[in-house]
Amino acid sequence: GEDVEQSLFLSVREGDSSVINCTYTDSSSTYLYWYKQEPGAGLQLLTYIFSNMDMKQDQRLTVLLNKKDKHLSLRIADTQTGDSAIYFCADRSGGSYIPTFGRGTSLIVHP
Amino acid sequence: DTGVSQNPRHKITKRGQNVTFRCDPISEHNRLYWYRQTLGQGPEFLTYFQNEAQLEKSRLLSDRFSAERPKGSFSTLEIQRTEQGDSAMYLCASSWGGSTGELFFGEGSRLTVL
Repeated sequence: GEDVEQSLFLSVREGDSSVINCTYTDSSSTYLYWYKQEPGAGLQLLTYIFSNMDMKQDQRLTVLLNKKDKHLSLRIADTQTGDSAIYFCADRSGGSYIPTFGRGTSLIVHP
Repeated sequence: DTGVSQNPRHKITKRGQNVTFRCDPISEHNRLYWYRQTLGQGPEFLTYFQNEAQLEKSRLLSDRFSAERPKGSFSTLEIQRTEQGDSAMYLCASSWGGSTGELFFGEGSRLTVL
């Protein structure tokens, strides 16, 4: 990957849906990933999507990929306070095994 | 499966000292990565191994940094003559080497250089 950009903060109310957005510049990105990081901890893989897909759903998580606009989003349905964390988008081109990470979006969930 | 294990979790050292971090990957994973993360930033790639071979190093990895994976299992990251700018979280991750390439991270080793 080259550059991966994310907005830095998102605040939602418990029970609402959260949508975290990400843009990337590498047109050869093959896999795109979402990771979650809680305070003081390492990164936990949430889900990934292959570039020939435009949507992937996994329980409360929905990933949408617009390859033309190089835009990736993560929707969390019925957001809970336990979802408060930093969410990182990462991409990886087919010719590399090295994911490139964005700066992360800090999700704050209010009761 | 105990996941990726990193030691020590925290290290405080004085400028100019050497430090070494250890990473034990998930046992069946053949790829091992080191990333560095500073406050408010995402992980930045440092280096990665496939088995015992170090295949790529970032330009971020100055000659004060050295990483090894002697038997293709655990890895060490040594920083010589530490500087205050080396203060960061050092993250290790491993991958099983399949095409999807998802990384599994350890809890990180936090370095504070005084």
